[in-house]
Amino acid sequence: ETGVTQSPTHLIKTRGQQVTLRCSSQSGHNTVSWYQQALGQGPQFIFQYYREEENGRGNFPPRFSGLQFPNYSSELNVNALELDDSALYLCASNPGRGGAETQYFGPGTRLLVL
Amino acid sequence: RKEVEQDPGPFNVPEGATVAFNCTYSNSASQSFFWYRQDCRKEPKLLMSVYSSGNEDGRFTAQLNRASQYISLLIRDSKLSDSATYLCVVGHNDMRFGAGTRLTVKP
Repeated sequence: ETGVTQSPTHLIKTRGQQVTLRCSSQSGHNTVSWYQQALGQGPQFIFQYYREEENGRGNFPPRFSGLQFPNYSSELNVNALELDDSALYLCASNPGRGGAETQYFGPGTRLLVL
Repeated sequence: RKEVEQDPGPFNVPEGATVAFNCTYSNSASQSFFWYRQDCRKEPKLLMSVYSSGNEDGRFTAQLNRASQYISLLIRDSKLSDSATYLCVVGHNDMRFGAGTRLTVKP
């Protein structure tokens, strides 16, 4: 296994609510990236963090935000949830700076927004 | 135009068949290239990196053509266990994924 864990595994929220998803990377993996995967689609890059600073962002609105902590854990926060936010949220980590190298994925969190 | 485009699929092939997947990418500055495999309701897992010289791992062969911005994956002697979605991935400062091509290998 990759050594990357995510919690919770499943979550149901209602439109307008806020959600926090968590990820624990492998020790020594300084970069964490978050992705949204809608049904039948490939993962879409949300953002990535290197040593607790955001260093890349995809085409997602500001209500998607994140944090990375010194202990290799990270969070994805989504405010004002919309129905289209229903998806599998994946985090991935790698040891280097930036996400252009092999990434190791966690099992994901399935979010359903009603 | 999408950043990474793959064959839409699905591909349904018999055991033992050879199957090829194609992928094109739009960012000519891309630095790294991969094929990931994703089983149903699971996370993506690295299948292989792709190098300009081409590379092979058992029954799997990947090729990269930087001039044409084209990546391919060839699977020989398909097994039932090869059934999955294959994701083409291109890296620059971050990773961009194609939509995936679903493969079903039937007995």
